[in-house]
Amino acid sequence: EAQVTQNPRYLITVTGKKLTVTCSQNMNHEYMSWYRQDPGLGLRQIYYSMNVEVTDKGDVPEGYKVSRKEKRNFPLILESPSPNQTSLYFCASSLGTGRYYGYTFGSGTRLTVV
Amino acid sequence: GQQVMQIPQYQHVQEGEDFTTYCNSSTTLSNIQWYKQRPGGHPVFLIQLVKSGEVKKQKRLTFQFGEAKKNSSLHITATQTTDVGTYFCAGTYNYGQNFVFGPGTRLSVLP
Repeated sequence: EAQVTQNPRYLITVTGKKLTVTCSQNMNHEYMSWYRQDPGLGLRQIYYSMNVEVTDKGDVPEGYKVSRKEKRNFPLILESPSPNQTSLYFCASSLGTGRYYGYTFGSGTRLTVV
Repeated sequence: GQQVMQIPQYQHVQEGEDFTTYCNSSTTLSNIQWYKQRPGGHPVFLIQLVKSGEVKKQKRLTFQFGEAKKNSSLHITATQTTDVGTYFCAGTYNYGQNFVFGPGTRLSVLP
């Protein structure tokens, strides 16, 4: 089944403890992106990647890192999480450049930083 | 940065009533997409509009792209309880690959 898989689905952590949220897609998509969703603010883009080893900042990149070493994986890293990073996170992918395709979203990761 | 706005933020309708959400940008969009997110779920791609003045239909849903490519609308005829959720528009500028999402319109349908 074609899908975007995020792990974990739920995570409670403490301030300052490094964490990684994984994202993997099995559709050979070139484009991948991370969003955070907060009430009343919609989906705000954190980072995106046009292809392997190509990443760029979105609207709210502060406090986050990403890497794209393989086409299928696009992990989101929080080096030192803070309570204002408590949010619902979505990874998304699309077929990629040259034409426009709809995004396929993962099921989301609900992160709580205490 | 470029922003996509949506109105209304919330809409409560009685089952069977129509519903419309509007998406606006201050600058010209290259194209626009619409997504639906059910409560507790993730956004799901509905449709993409590319041409000025384009109109597309999916059963009870009608999508329009404005002539100036600065606005779009989603209209649902005779809402059903299965239509409940948040509807997002997402636009791209200058033919880039990155889509900017609007804040969404949350639809409640009362049976």
